[in-house]
Amino acid sequence: KAGVTQTPRYLIKTRGQQVTLSCSPISGHRSVSWYQQTPGQGLQFLFEYFSETQRNKGNFPGRFSGRQFSNSRSEMNVSTLELGDSALYLCASSLALYNEQFFGPGTRLTVL
Amino acid sequence: GENVEQHPSTLSVQEGDSAVIKCTYSDSASNYFPWYKQELGKRPQLIIDIRSNVGEKKDQRIAVTLNKTAKHFSLHITETQPEDSAVYFCAARSDTGGFKTIFGAGTRLFVKA
Repeated sequence: KAGVTQTPRYLIKTRGQQVTLSCSPISGHRSVSWYQQTPGQGLQFLFEYFSETQRNKGNFPGRFSGRQFSNSRSEMNVSTLELGDSALYLCASSLALYNEQFFGPGTRLTVL
Repeated sequence: GENVEQHPSTLSVQEGDSAVIKCTYSDSASNYFPWYKQELGKRPQLIIDIRSNVGEKKDQRIAVTLNKTAKHFSLHITETQPEDSAVYFCAARSDTGGFKTIFGAGTRLFVKA
């Protein structure tokens, strides 16, 4: 089985722009979670989706949003980018809500 | 809000020694506790996990213990090897207000040959 894939792998944006990141889970997995990873903060929970429904959202501003499609692929969007949004964004998929999460390679976002 | 504290932030051991990483969680509804290993430039990978109905689980040189009363769980690595050098993350998963997994801040483990 193919692993979790994320596109693009690298992004450079300027402040004020918006960005959309994509995550394709392992085939058959219905749960997708998103995390922001920074050197000082570890992995911070952004959202979790299951069967196209957002199950929970972390403590991030409304500029961060996401969605999940019927094929379980997920996107997250960050609007009005700030310098502090520079980070590695990881998604993870799991078969169901209490199964092992498999991480994708991440999208490294740099905001200038 | 929910929180997972992880200690120590850095751990240096001699090859062959044991390493212990400790985590404390705040959400009493947490019932699944995975541990991830992240090597430099790579994605986190699950190394072991434990569910709330189990007190201890072992897989070769790695073991995890869980004390639900104290809301405390630990990772034990025995006979450490240089390839164990990485960042280790603990996490706690609950369905409070919807499903989410909260990660600890990570422990950077150095195993000296």
